[in-house]
Amino acid sequence: NAGVMQNPRHLVRRRGQEARLRCSPMKGHSHVYWYRQLPEEGLKFMVYLQKENIIDESGMPKERFSAEFPKEGPSILRIQQVVRGDSAAYFCASGQGGNQPQHFGDGTRLSIL
Amino acid sequence: AQSVAQPEDQVNVAEGNPLTVKCTYSVSGNPYLFWYVQYPNRGLQFLLKYITGDNLVKGSYGFEAEFNKSQTSFHLKKPSALVSDSALYFCAVRDDFNKFYFGSGTKLNVKP
Repeated sequence: NAGVMQNPRHLVRRRGQEARLRCSPMKGHSHVYWYRQLPEEGLKFMVYLQKENIIDESGMPKERFSAEFPKEGPSILRIQQVVRGDSAAYFCASGQGGNQPQHFGDGTRLSIL
Repeated sequence: AQSVAQPEDQVNVAEGNPLTVKCTYSVSGNPYLFWYVQYPNRGLQFLLKYITGDNLVKGSYGFEAEFNKSQTSFHLKKPSALVSDSALYFCAVRDDFNKFYFGSGTKLNVKP
């Protein structure tokens, strides 16, 4: 059973470009979470989605950031007009809800030149 | 509001000695508690969870955690540390809306 798959593992963008981060949840998981992590720091919650719905986006910046989890295909975290401060590791986790834990991908490391 | 506190940024222990990584929580309703471990350049890996039942929960790689309701704590323990246990450890609590709250992480250093 494949785990949570994130791609790309590393992404380099220049300031002003767009970054698209993809996450394929584990089979059977309908809940997806996105987190951001700076080096040697904890996880910062960004957004929680279920299929075709945003459940909680309280951790997402109001501008430039958006997320979706369509009926078919992976979840996408999109960052428009990237700035240097967007450089971080972005982790996706998926779950089934209930008492089950989240399962994490290995992250996308975004570097902004 | 739900929250998790890991009071120690770093824990140092000698190989073979017991280890404890501390976690306290604040949650309305029943606590659903989790421990995860993160190795460099990797995602978080699930270690163990407490939902209900026995206060001592056993998990992967010989780790266990003790749920203490009166102290609102969920400390991670291992009787004999290995050098390979050196990593970043995160405590988490889940609320009734399936949202997870993570602590700030504790770096465990196990010295040979």
